[in-house]
Amino acid sequence: EAGVAQSPRYKIIEKRQSVAFWCNPISGHATLYWYQQILGQGPKLLIQFQNNGVVDDSQLPKDRFSAERLKGVDSTLKIQPAKLEDSAVYLCASSNGTVRYNEQFFGPGTRLTVL
Amino acid sequence: ILNVEQSPQSLHVQEGDSTNFTCSFPSSNFYALHWYRWETAKSPEALFVMTLNGDEKKKGRISATLNTKEGYSYLYIKGSQPEDSATYLCAPIDDKLIFGTGTRLQVFP
Repeated sequence: EAGVAQSPRYKIIEKRQSVAFWCNPISGHATLYWYQQILGQGPKLLIQFQNNGVVDDSQLPKDRFSAERLKGVDSTLKIQPAKLEDSAVYLCASSNGTVRYNEQFFGPGTRLTVL
Repeated sequence: ILNVEQSPQSLHVQEGDSTNFTCSFPSSNFYALHWYRWETAKSPEALFVMTLNGDEKKKGRISATLNTKEGYSYLYIKGSQPEDSATYLCAPIDDKLIFGTGTRLQVFP
């Protein structure tokens, strides 16, 4: 079974530039998550999709972050414009079933550096 | 939002030592707790999903226990090996996973 794919693996941009990350979840997984992990902290949920609908985006900074999941499969996360504090690892995960009782499968992450 | 604490923050042990870490969380509104292992440059990997008070789970040399009444979970590694070197994250569930900051384990040969 193929795992969760993410690209790019690394990205360096200057502040005020835009950036986009891509995620392809495990085939058949209805739920997709984007997390932000800042150095020294645990991953923080940014947005959760169920198929192509948003379940939870309460911690997504909507003035600069956006995400979409077209056709309930692949997803993109965009930051526009980036700030220094957006430097982090962005993790995508997917699961088959509810988050309470089902493990999440993570991709390798995208490490973003904002200069 | 849950306040999740993990201790210690980091741990250095010799190969063959046994070790354990703690995850503390508020005991009210508990649904489940996940443990993940995250090796550098790799994807976080699920170890356990624990739901019931008194749960004990085991995978090879790694085991975990859960006490929902007092709000803690322990992760044990018996006979640590260098390949166990990773960050171990716990994540109790409110309406979403709330990750702790992790325990970074380094096992020296």
